[in-house]
Amino acid sequence: GAVVSQHPSRVICKSGTSVKIECRSLDFQATTMFWYRQFPKKSLMLMATSNEGSKATYEQGVEKDKFLINHASLTLSTLTVTSAHPEDSSFYICSARVLGTLAGEQFFGPGTRLTVL
Amino acid sequence: AQRVTQPEKLLSVFKGAPVELKCNYSYSGSPELFWYVQYSRQRLQLLLRHISRESIKGFTADLNKGETSFHLKKPFAQEEDSAMYYCALSGHNQGGKLIFGQGTELSVKP
Repeated sequence: GAVVSQHPSRVICKSGTSVKIECRSLDFQATTMFWYRQFPKKSLMLMATSNEGSKATYEQGVEKDKFLINHASLTLSTLTVTSAHPEDSSFYICSARVLGTLAGEQFFGPGTRLTVL
Repeated sequence: AQRVTQPEKLLSVFKGAPVELKCNYSYSGSPELFWYVQYSRQRLQLLLRHISRESIKGFTADLNKGETSFHLKKPFAQEEDSAMYYCALSGHNQGGKLIFGQGTELSVKP
């Protein structure tokens, strides 16, 4: 099956620094990737849709200057949390669509735990 | 507005008992409905899609457009079914965006 990886799996940083999270599709090309945020014991909140070669589409209430998304190739999307603050601490998950499958059928990465001190 | 509601945060049953995880949705159109599952310390993975009308690991889900529901059912729960279950909706022409419900934690006791 399609495999999606994320790096790093966990990161701890100081307040005010920027953190980059990578999402890779290992054995398929993903023209569309998605970034979610998950709070403990809560659902996934879609942050943005990442499209290869074009600007990301952000959901309402998500600051695009705070959460920079780049989808430079068909196998890699990155999420950069700029000037991170403790309230940005969360579990960030990416997913990818496989062309030819149902639009809502996504393959998920293992997630990245971000802790901002 | 598009919305997915899973009314139960936690559902606890004994092994061998039937289980039904409820999901209701709100969408003006014909959505695609999915059930995703997350086992302990594992990533989220697709369990069922309504359009396939399939049975996976003994689970089935029927889309009821009249009641706008997509409940997940299994006649005899197993301990290995213990996990978080998320109902999700994908709207037409929305590029695959998924709207997730709040999730239901299923606990199957021996």
